[in-house]
Amino acid sequence: DAKTTQPTSMDCAEGRAANLPCNHSTISGNEYVYWYRQIHSQGPQYIIHGLKNNETNEMASLIITEDRKSSTLILPHATLRDTAVYYCIVRVSLQGAQKLVFGQGTRLTINP
Amino acid sequence: NAGVTQTPKFRILKIGQSMTLQCAQDMNHNYMYWYRQDPGMGLKLIYYSVGAGITDKGEVPNGYNVSRSTTEDFPLRLELAAPSQTSVYFCASSRGYEQYFGPGTRLTVT
Repeated sequence: DAKTTQPTSMDCAEGRAANLPCNHSTISGNEYVYWYRQIHSQGPQYIIHGLKNNETNEMASLIITEDRKSSTLILPHATLRDTAVYYCIVRVSLQGAQKLVFGQGTRLTINP
Repeated sequence: NAGVTQTPKFRILKIGQSMTLQCAQDMNHNYMYWYRQDPGMGLKLIYYSVGAGITDKGEVPNGYNVSRSTTEDFPLRLELAAPSQTSVYFCASSRGYEQYFGPGTRLTVT
């Protein structure tokens, strides 16, 4: 699975859009980009995933560049409850055992 | 549904003791996983299972054992606990691409 690079920390004002970048320059054509987050000491929570098209769900949007070497997770209207560590993960398959490799992620702090 | 449950929430072990961390899921998921998370770090995969009776090693399996006799349960066994096993342990399950995590067990070995 390709390695990912994320900023260590970011801040965002409550109510604004939070844009979290992720670089995955060695991604292969059949690798998916996943995002999970971990609030305080809880277990991680799935947010969204994509292959090459932009994706949106009730939690967030995922924008993947045309060359697929980077992506951005967008939380459109950040709230204090969105303060968490966000992990960008790249792996091959949607099927089978999901052996996720977590880096250190981005610590996002939402400020009032 | 309770989702993924883990017991105990906290445990302190002495060096050389053994214990079993319990994990159960009620979503009828085939796949189950054990991760550990050291302070300030991401999660690392210890063992995983693709179904009852089938388990395989992850990234950091040394010092641990697992078994999967039922779809619901996936216990993690620590034999001869060492200070390096002080960590937070998360169990997870999945059917497809989304993994569901339990609340974790915080283990201290002194």
